[in-house]
Amino acid sequence: DAKTTQPTSMDCAEGRAANLPCNHSTISGNEYVYWYRQIHSQGPQYIIHGLKNNETNEMASLIITEDRKSSTLILPHATLRDTAVYYCIVRALYGGATNKLIFGTGTLLAVQP
Amino acid sequence: KAGVTQTPRYLIKTRGQQVTLSCSPISGHRSVSWYQQTPGQGLQFLFEYFSETQRNKGNFPGRFSGRQFSNSRSEMNVSTLELGDSALYLCASSLGSLVNEQFFGPGTRLTVL
Repeated sequence: DAKTTQPTSMDCAEGRAANLPCNHSTISGNEYVYWYRQIHSQGPQYIIHGLKNNETNEMASLIITEDRKSSTLILPHATLRDTAVYYCIVRALYGGATNKLIFGTGTLLAVQP
Repeated sequence: KAGVTQTPRYLIKTRGQQVTLSCSPISGHRSVSWYQQTPGQGLQFLFEYFSETQRNKGNFPGRFSGRQFSNSRSEMNVSTLELGDSALYLCASSLGSLVNEQFFGPGTRLTVL
């Protein structure tokens, strides 16, 4: 599984967009980019995933570069409840794949009032 | 729809004892994965079960074991506890392997004295 690199921490003002970067330069063709977040003292929560096209859901948007070596998770209007550790994970999704997730150190996003 | 439940939520044991943790997945989910989270090592994959069979195992000593029952409920056991086993143990459930979202429980906080 490809390794990911994320900044250790980021700050964001409440109501502004939070842009969380992730590098995954060794990603292979059958690997997807997943984002999970973990709010303090809770289990991780799935946010979004993508292969090569930009994706959007009710929580966030995911922008993946054309060469797929990096991506950005965008929370369009951050609230205090979005303060959490955000994990970028690369995972293969093909026949024979399992549910194993390799978590890195993640980015602690602190949303400031 | 009820989420993933883990019992107990908190546990205190002493070195040398053994412990059993339980995870009840979301109804209809057949895959259960276990993770250990510590401040030093972060979130690490322990093992995954699907339809009562272990599909994948992380790099943990044989003191860590698990099983899954026919109703998809899973247990993990740690024998001969060490101080370093103090951690938050999380389980995640999903419908199967080729699915996008895994749902995590709140975890069991194990303290070994």
